[in-house]
Amino acid sequence: NAGVTQTPKFQVLKTGQSMTLQCAQDMNHEYMSWYRQDPGMGLRLIHYSVGAGITDQGEVPNGYNVSRSTTEDFPLRLLSAAPSQTSVYFCATRRQGGHNEQFFGPGTRLTVL
Amino acid sequence: RKEVEQDPGPFNVPEGATVAFNCTYSNSASQSFFWYRQDCRKEPKLLMSVYSSGNEDGRFTAQLNRASQYISLLIRDSKLSDSATYLCVVRATGGGNKLTFGTGTQLKVEL
Repeated sequence: NAGVTQTPKFQVLKTGQSMTLQCAQDMNHEYMSWYRQDPGMGLRLIHYSVGAGITDQGEVPNGYNVSRSTTEDFPLRLLSAAPSQTSVYFCATRRQGGHNEQFFGPGTRLTVL
Repeated sequence: RKEVEQDPGPFNVPEGATVAFNCTYSNSASQSFFWYRQDCRKEPKLLMSVYSSGNEDGRFTAQLNRASQYISLLIRDSKLSDSATYLCVVRATGGGNKLTFGTGTQLKVEL
């Protein structure tokens, strides 16, 4: 039982490059989400999904795309990387509703030069 | 005003001390409340949920005051291993039941 996995762990990009951060879960959770964490800003929601085929924007969606073709996978695409996207990215999953615990992946540390 | 506000600290306390963290939230429609713990360069992990009547888990006690929109976490008999950042988390109904995170309070427990 791997829980929530993220790849890569570290990535350096040049401005304008695109890439996809991968997130996979084996807990059969309906809800998946992507956060970025920056010093002094806390965790901010980028995009989320309440089930396969359904996605919606969070607090800071600009510059990012997501899709949810399966329950297990929720990739985050950076369309044209900018230095402002330098951050730590966490994927998270939980069952919908109530006091359900949210489980986080180990994070991807992204630097955009 | 931030939706969830916490004192960033750091709180430096000796081992064995009792320490309390506070958190305020602005959305009166918030329904669920949590404390998460985040170790340095690691992912956040659930410490405990917070219930209206207050709840305890070993050395940790959480309280909720809905009228004042205020959440607290009390840690008794602090251990070196309690050193971490503690995140206050709130969930409102609707809009995908999103979680809103505070920026965290850093705790350092020293010998």
